[in-house]
Amino acid sequence: GAGVSQTPSNKVTEKGKYVELRCDPISGHTALYWYRQSLGQGPEFLIYFQGTGAADDSGLPNDRFFAVRPEGSVSTLKIQRTERGDSAVYLCASSSGFGELFFGEGSRLTVL
Amino acid sequence: QQPVQSPQAVILREGEDAVINCSSSKALYSVHWYRQKHGEAPVFLMILLKGGEQKGHEKISASFNEKKQQSSLYLTASQLSYSGTYFCGTDEAAGNKLTFGGGTRVLVKP
Repeated sequence: GAGVSQTPSNKVTEKGKYVELRCDPISGHTALYWYRQSLGQGPEFLIYFQGTGAADDSGLPNDRFFAVRPEGSVSTLKIQRTERGDSAVYLCASSSGFGELFFGEGSRLTVL
Repeated sequence: QQPVQSPQAVILREGEDAVINCSSSKALYSVHWYRQKHGEAPVFLMILLKGGEQKGHEKISASFNEKKQQSSLYLTASQLSYSGTYFCGTDEAAGNKLTFGGGTRVLVKP
């Protein structure tokens, strides 16, 4: 597709469950970013990949959060033992290098 | 630490001007500006690199004072389409890892 694609667009889960969120970046973009946005707040950095490797994962809040990008394209954000405080919109962005980030529409996660 | 944006919200009549400020406590390599409409993805407006440059996009321009670690976004002759939430994103190390401010909500009325 032409833009960054994220699935699912909405996910409702119960506290304690495991969740996977997928991001398909713009073809050819080497850099991929995950951000989390709570209502009324700016996006909060989680992790970014350059190719297959995590260049900076300093924003991951704790070890329940993990992300992979095994082939340098699609990335999956994995959240274990979800908590109500994890509820937010998870945004993925990609870029070809330094400069403009192209954001996806986000995956809205609701933990009941 | 995230940059501080002011004001938090502004209401304009079509054709009026507004200024949004972004201030950081850290030395910056660049400042990025994005606009997000309700329920949509943030959309890139412009990047300013250290060196005090000023850039423009439509009738939206911005400046960056690296010594003061501040950037300002200028909305000139605002249009209805300018409504949305504006975020500045700061980059300390040229790595494109952005720390976003809390946003400024702009509403342009006819």
